[in-house]
Amino acid sequence: DQQVKQNSPSLSVQEGRISILNCDYTNSMFDYFLWYKKYPAEGPTFLISISSIKDKNEDGRFTVFLNKSAKHLSLHIVPSQPGDSAVYFCAARWRSSGDKLTFGTGTRLAVRP
Amino acid sequence: DGGITQSPKYLFRKEGQNVTLSCEQNLNHDAMYWYRQDPGQGLRLIYYSQIVNDFQKGDIAEGYSVSREKKESFPLTVTSAQKNPTAFYLCASSGQDAGYEKLFFGSGTQLSVL
Repeated sequence: DQQVKQNSPSLSVQEGRISILNCDYTNSMFDYFLWYKKYPAEGPTFLISISSIKDKNEDGRFTVFLNKSAKHLSLHIVPSQPGDSAVYFCAARWRSSGDKLTFGTGTRLAVRP
Repeated sequence: DGGITQSPKYLFRKEGQNVTLSCEQNLNHDAMYWYRQDPGQGLRLIYYSQIVNDFQKGDIAEGYSVSREKKESFPLTVTSAQKNPTAFYLCASSGQDAGYEKLFFGSGTQLSVL
């Protein structure tokens, strides 16, 4: 039972354009969402997060949007840069489960120069 | 320079052999985790420990064992009972950063079967 889903395994975007990565979840108890970025043969690094009490969080070129009614969140990267090419994982947590995160399957982003 | 150190970077296991993956952190975090990544799949939780001398099974604990004798260390043993051990293994710890709990990951260990 995949509670966090990233339905697009890959995405290709031109440098300078916007990248939009999507994530859907099924568990309405999730109250905190995170995006991690991962390069090959390395551990994921934290990118940005959002609490369920908000619908938007912005950090530089990265913005995460949360639509609780649709159980959907998205990560926007503007403008996209070749160094953004990586696998992006969406993750979710609910407070009563402690700090355990449930991860999506990831989306591989390729930014073309 | 705080962080999470995993070793070795690459590990090979023979049939019927147990192998142990090391994970050390100097972030003073109470909680530590082991995840497994397979190609095209997300990160799946194997075991986690929220405090020394205590740990719980994650979603795919069969064929694995852990110990948590020290706060800094959370080694994972892949036993011969794990029939498909080839994967990328990630250790993590969780702590506060800017008011929110986050997972911090090590650089991973690639385990392959000979």
